Amino acid sequence: EPEVTQTPSHQVTQMGQEVILRCVPISNHLYFYWYRQILGQKVEFLVSFYNNEISEKSEIFDDQFSVERPDGSNFTLKIRSTKLEDSAMYFCASSGVRDGETQYFGPGTRLLVL
Amino acid sequence: AQSVTQLGSHVSVSEGALVLLRCNYSSSVPPYLFWYVQYPNQGLQLLLKYTTGATLVKGINGFEAEFKKSETSFHLTKPSAHMSDAAEYFCAVSVNNFNKFYFGSGTKLNVKP
Repeated sequence: EPEVTQTPSHQVTQMGQEVILRCVPISNHLYFYWYRQILGQKVEFLVSFYNNEISEKSEIFDDQFSVERPDGSNFTLKIRSTKLEDSAMYFCASSGVRDGETQYFGPGTRLLVL
Repeated sequence: AQSVTQLGSHVSVSEGALVLLRCNYSSSVPPYLFWYVQYPNQGLQLLLKYTTGATLVKGINGFEAEFKKSETSFHLTKPSAHMSDAAEYFCAVSVNNFNKFYFGSGTKLNVKP
């Protein structure tokens, strides 16, 4: 069964460093999302992406964040200058035309900013 | 705006007992409702969903949930818990295709032998 994959599974970085989190959505999906879950808190929406542009973004998704689909398979989330409060689990999700109401999630990348 | 409340951050049941995980939602338009399960060190796996039609929906692993509009609820049940059901369960709501999800805080289910 097709699934969303994410790399790396864990990342430790120093405050102020740039990180890129990578996702490979399900191959025939066209809509992509990033969510994050700070330890002990709810899973929160960050951004949605369709047709090579952002469809919607939350107030969390400020100028430090960017997303890109650099090729036909990857979908990336970049944090330009990480802060301590960016430490969280980041989930990528995708959805397709066949069941557009459903989002399929990857296993997550746990980011720790020191 | 939409929101989700899950009552009980931790629920503990004995193996073989009924599982009931509560989810209440707030939505100004007809919602789409989802339950996801997260096993340790894994992603969010879809258990079941309600979009339209029959209000009692069945999912994987013997779970089911009933959409009750009058109570704005979408509680998750399983008649008989199994040790392998121990995980964290998330309720989520959205209102359209390709629309962002709003998640509840999650409920960790512990199953005692």
